[in-house]
Amino acid sequence: DAGVIQSPRHEVTEMGQEVTLRCKPISGHDYLFWYRQTMMRGLELLIYFNNNVPIDDSGMPEDRFSAKMPNASFSTLKIQPSEPRDSAVYFCASSRRQGRTGNTIYFGEGSWLTVV
Amino acid sequence: TQLLEQSPQFLSIQEGENLTVYCNSSSVFSSLQWYRQEPGEGPVLLVTVVTGGEVKKLKRLTFQFGDARKDSSLHITAAQPGDTGLYLCAGASESNYQLIWGAGTKLIIKP
Repeated sequence: DAGVIQSPRHEVTEMGQEVTLRCKPISGHDYLFWYRQTMMRGLELLIYFNNNVPIDDSGMPEDRFSAKMPNASFSTLKIQPSEPRDSAVYFCASSRRQGRTGNTIYFGEGSWLTVV
Repeated sequence: TQLLEQSPQFLSIQEGENLTVYCNSSSVFSSLQWYRQEPGEGPVLLVTVVTGGEVKKLKRLTFQFGDARKDSSLHITAAQPGDTGLYLCAGASESNYQLIWGAGTKLIIKP
């Protein structure tokens, strides 16, 4: 089974440009998560979807960030305009369910974003 | 706000030594997970503990969930260079099962 697929793996862009990160979750998983990881702040949940519906976007830093999930097999995270402080590794992850016994979250390899 | 404090933040030891990583909180979790992340990759689940006092073993790694389900530890016996990585704990909220993440322990095992 293919894992979570993210693109691009690496992106270097200039401040002010639009950045779009893409994700294909594992087939059959109902939950999709976007995380950001930096040395200073660790792993932060930005937003998550359940059955393509955004459930909690309280982690999205500001209005420059937006995420969509038009169908069960695709999601995007967009930053417009980008700023140097957005430089980080962005992970997409998916899981089958949520529950008391734990929900295994499968991460993609990440998109390494550098804004100069 | 639920917080999960992980310690130490960084640990560098010689091959063959033992070590313990801790995750502590004032909140109760429905379950707690440990992940390992290697450079250039996403975190990968190692184990989930659910019951207070539960102990799980994965080869040389021993995971324990506190009796009150507020804390957890990861003990590695006879560490090897292949254990090098970032270890993350994540507790599942009792209200909505969403994960609260620790800041991570960066572990380096020197040959």
